[in-house]
Amino acid sequence: SQQGEEDPQALSIQEGENATMNCSYKTSINNLQWYRQNSGRGLVHLILIRSNEREKHSGRLRVTLDTSKKSSSLLITASRAADTASYFCATDGQAGTALIFGKGTTLSVSS
Amino acid sequence: DAGITQSPRHKVTETGTPVTLRCHQTENHRYMYWYRQDPGHGLRLIHYSYGVKDTDKGEVSDGYSVSRSKTEDFLLTLESATSSQTSVYFCAISESNRAGTEAFFGQGTRLTVV
Repeated sequence: SQQGEEDPQALSIQEGENATMNCSYKTSINNLQWYRQNSGRGLVHLILIRSNEREKHSGRLRVTLDTSKKSSSLLITASRAADTASYFCATDGQAGTALIFGKGTTLSVSS
Repeated sequence: DAGITQSPRHKVTETGTPVTLRCHQTENHRYMYWYRQDPGHGLRLIHYSYGVKDTDKGEVSDGYSVSRSKTEDFLLTLESATSSQTSVYFCAISESNRAGTEAFFGQGTRLTVV
């Protein structure tokens, strides 16, 4: 079964607003990654947070990790129309051999 | 962009026929993966490889087989295609399976089984 579950499934905001997506997972992890997928394209790695980290920043992205709650959040600040995409969290599988993805959050940013 | 090429990019095939999808990488990464993406399910792991001739099953491996005879190529075969295998298939590669290794994805293959 899938490890990560994103929430919400879909999110619509205006340009300039912040977008927050959440990911919950089931088993202990070594790291959690976030990926982005533009329509019709492959996934692109955004950011990684290790299990011993609580927060990480990359440009307009902020990721938090709460291992006690088995959850992570991705915040995109000052959203742009170009941020319109699907966002997935991914964790290392129980055997540590392959990334296990959630179902994704579809973000729509309108101008 | 990481050097990953999937072929074909689009394919329509009939139920019951065998189909092979190819993933080719130029990065010399050890790990290669096949995922399928379906609405409402996100990405699900089919099979992966951790070296030449070394493969293992993922979450949704029934009806699929894989082969890796060279580092650069990872083939996914649908032994007898069914309509439930209509999907978008993604190949991914990673340098290792150590914690913190990111994966690089191909552009996907859209397969329709009629």
